[in-house]
Amino acid sequence: SYELTQPPSVSVSPGQTASITCSGDKLGDKYCYWYQQRPGQSPVLVIYQDSKRPSGIPERFSGSNSGNTATLTISGTQAMDEADYYCQAWDSSTVVFGGGTKLTVL
Amino acid sequence: EVELVESGGGLAQPGGSLRLSCAASGFTFSSYEMNWVRQAPGKGLEWVAYISGGGNVYYSDSVKGRFTISRDNAKNSLYLQMNSLRVEDTAVYYCARAPYITRAFDIWGQGTMVTVSS
Repeated sequence: SYELTQPPSVSVSPGQTASITCSGDKLGDKYCYWYQQRPGQSPVLVIYQDSKRPSGIPERFSGSNSGNTATLTISGTQAMDEADYYCQAWDSSTVVFGGGTKLTVL
Repeated sequence: EVELVESGGGLAQPGGSLRLSCAASGFTFSSYEMNWVRQAPGKGLEWVAYISGGGNVYYSDSVKGRFTISRDNAKNSLYLQMNSLRVEDTAVYYCARAPYITRAFDIWGQGTMVTVSS
């Protein structure tokens, strides 16, 4: 079965750039999606189809996907961005989520 | 306002059954793919099941043969019938909307907790 691998944790200082990776076999041939989940809340879509931002998502969130790795980049990270982030892709008729990355802003 | 509201969670015994519901409002329900996603306590997101507007369904291997996803477009409702429940099915269950054109899970409900325990 298809798997997506994320680092368990990433730390960033306020105002700096955070990068969260998601790896999977030929992931660049699929669309990658990213979700933010703050503690006690439902997930929120922050990037779809590799690099598109839904309305209401700040411009500091961006995405890329090539080869075997997709990357979520948060520029000028703010304290409110501290959350768990999940990548997701479709593999044939199934949906796969990465294990999640806890972003700490300190 | 676009909204998804889950209900039907609770406590069930191993081997028992529960039926979850997801009430949709604020959009044309029949025009969207719908999914169930779960999250065990302290764990990550796990996709459970998918249904197209016309009723095509897919399941994760972990629930295939035990869970059934369905929808009633006239009632703007999504369902998940869960049979032969296992302790490892304990989780918050979310319904999530996905537009056909993007397939992104763009709207999520607040979730309903399912606990399987004797």
